Amino acid sequence: LAKTTQPISMDSYEGQEVNITCSHNNIATNDYITWYQQFPSQGPRFIIQGYKTKVTNEVASLFIPADRKSSTLSLPRVSLSDTAVYYCLVGDRAGGGNKLTFGTGTQLKVEL
Amino acid sequence: EPEVTQTPSHQVTQMGQEVILRCVPISNHLYFYWYRQILGQKVEFLVSFYNNEISEKSEIFDDQFSVERPDGSNFTLKIRSTKLEDSAMYFCASSGLSSNQPQHFGDGTRLSIL
Repeated sequence: LAKTTQPISMDSYEGQEVNITCSHNNIATNDYITWYQQFPSQGPRFIIQGYKTKVTNEVASLFIPADRKSSTLSLPRVSLSDTAVYYCLVGDRAGGGNKLTFGTGTQLKVEL
Repeated sequence: EPEVTQTPSHQVTQMGQEVILRCVPISNHLYFYWYRQILGQKVEFLVSFYNNEISEKSEIFDDQFSVERPDGSNFTLKIRSTKLEDSAMYFCASSGLSSNQPQHFGDGTRLSIL
């Protein structure tokens, strides 16, 4: 199972773009990269998933370089409500019966 | 947007008692999961369930635990002879058949063992 390393915490201000980088040097050929968000006393919420290059949806972008040894979650123009823990997961895709293995995540704090 | 719902939101139980945590997965989903998160620690996988049987379970999911889908909508986690260390948030999740359809989590049941 590929080990992931991401910063323990990050601080930002409203309106800024936030980039959270996750390193996964031992990523396997078949592994996907998935990001979840978790607010206090709530369950994790799926943000985005990708295999290579760039993936974008309505809430975030995921940048994956060619060697796939790292990935960056980009949150455009954050607001106070984006304060949460963000988890980078590497392994099977996030559905189809595959178990998810969470790390300690990155605590993002957004201030005015 | 459809949601996974869990009841109760908070359960307080005496040590040694049995508890049943309930979940209503998203209606057209076929895979069901339980995770737990001890306060201040990581979210940990417990079990996955498909086609009325367990498809995978972790080391945590020992004989003390069982899961059931008693009808077409509910998915339950039973914990027998509860211990203090079972105190945690328990999250239910569900997903569709395709691995491209990610798991959707409920907001959990906070289990407190006294």
